[in-house]
Amino acid sequence: EAGVVQSPRYKIIEKKQPVAFWCNPISGHNTLYWYRQNLGQGPELLIRYENEEAVDDSQLPKDRFSAERLKGVDSTLKIQPAELGDSAVYLCASSLDSSQADIQYFGAGTRLSVL
Amino acid sequence: SQKIEQNSEALNIQEGKTATLTCNYTNYSPAYLQWYRQDPGRGPVFLLLIRENEKEKRKERLKVTFDTTLKQSLFHITASQPADSATYLCALSTGANNLFFGTGTRLTVIP
Repeated sequence: EAGVVQSPRYKIIEKKQPVAFWCNPISGHNTLYWYRQNLGQGPELLIRYENEEAVDDSQLPKDRFSAERLKGVDSTLKIQPAELGDSAVYLCASSLDSSQADIQYFGAGTRLSVL
Repeated sequence: SQKIEQNSEALNIQEGKTATLTCNYTNYSPAYLQWYRQDPGRGPVFLLLIRENEKEKRKERLKVTFDTTLKQSLFHITASQPADSATYLCALSTGANNLFFGTGTRLTVIP
């Protein structure tokens, strides 16, 4: 069974440019998460989807970040415009549902460098 | 403020010894706690989950304890091997599967 697939693996852009990340979760997983992981830190939740509905986006910087999960499967995370401080690894994860004890499965992440 | 602290940024141990990693938290009331392993360039991989009403969980060479009075979890790897070298993350959930991660401990097992 394929795991969570993310693309691209690496992205280098100049500040003020837009960038988008794509995630394909494990088949059948209703819940999808986007995290940001800064160097030497643990992942921090940006947004959580239940099917196509964003149920927790309290940590998403909405002035420049946006996300969508059309049809409740694949998801994209966009930054426009990017800032130097956005350099990080962006991780996507999925789980069967958001019950309290559900295990999250992570993709390999997209490493973003903003120059 | 809420904090999740993992005892040290890096831990080196000799092969065959038991590695013990610590996760302390403040101002959380977790329903359960998870431990994940992360290798360089990869996403975290789930290892173990322990609920607030459980004291200990085991899986092969791994053991996790959870003390809600001390607000602490200990993660043990017995008979450690060089292949166990990785960063280990603890993560708390207070409900609805919102995971709050610690900063991680980078374990190196020396042959």
